[in-house]
Amino acid sequence: SQTIHQWPATLVQPVGSPLSLECTVEGTSNPNLYWYRQAAGRGLQLLFYSVGIGQISSEVPQNLSASRPQDRQFILSSKKLLLSDSGFYLCAWSPGPGNEQFFGPGTRLTVL
Amino acid sequence: GQSLEQPSEVTAVEGAIVQINCTYQTSGFYGLSWYQQHDGGAPTFLSYNALDGLEETGRFSSFLSRSDSYGYLLLQELQMKDSASYFCAVNKGEAAGNKLTFGGGTRVLVKP
Repeated sequence: SQTIHQWPATLVQPVGSPLSLECTVEGTSNPNLYWYRQAAGRGLQLLFYSVGIGQISSEVPQNLSASRPQDRQFILSSKKLLLSDSGFYLCAWSPGPGNEQFFGPGTRLTVL
Repeated sequence: GQSLEQPSEVTAVEGAIVQINCTYQTSGFYGLSWYQQHDGGAPTFLSYNALDGLEETGRFSSFLSRSDSYGYLLLQELQMKDSASYFCAVNKGEAAGNKLTFGGGTRVLVKP
């Protein structure tokens, strides 16, 4: 069966510090991968998605970037965090032709 | 622009029926998905409609009218554990990486 991992679960970082969030998927190959951010009490905002290694599509211009160095690994990064980067970051995967997305447990980021 | 509109909150008692409406206006439409999210947790998939009509999955049903850009999620025989946020999401199709655009969510509160 497939599983998706995200770490860390919670993170408190100062403004201006770098960020690296990692997401890995097990039990499937060539998945579509997604990064979302959710502000408290709001919907999910798609940040990046990837349909293959090295292929990244950015949905919202911002100071975040994403990379997919391996088939089942998706990394979200920032060189300098802003207060507005605080939120709940969720990684998700889907089969190439599938409709359902499967979400990881999320990382709750607080930028102070 | 793109927008998905759904009510912000609904309150109902155990055993009741709740209907959550979703109207959408997006560039590119392949289908409408519904996700459930409990406080602090990750979203989980409930249902998907690509064609007009009703899809039934146990106590939950989802309806789509493509001509009206409208869908709804019907929760029947409400239970306390159904207290959660429910999101509609437009699926953009395989050519767009099956990415999802989410609505703002409807918080459902079930009372005894």
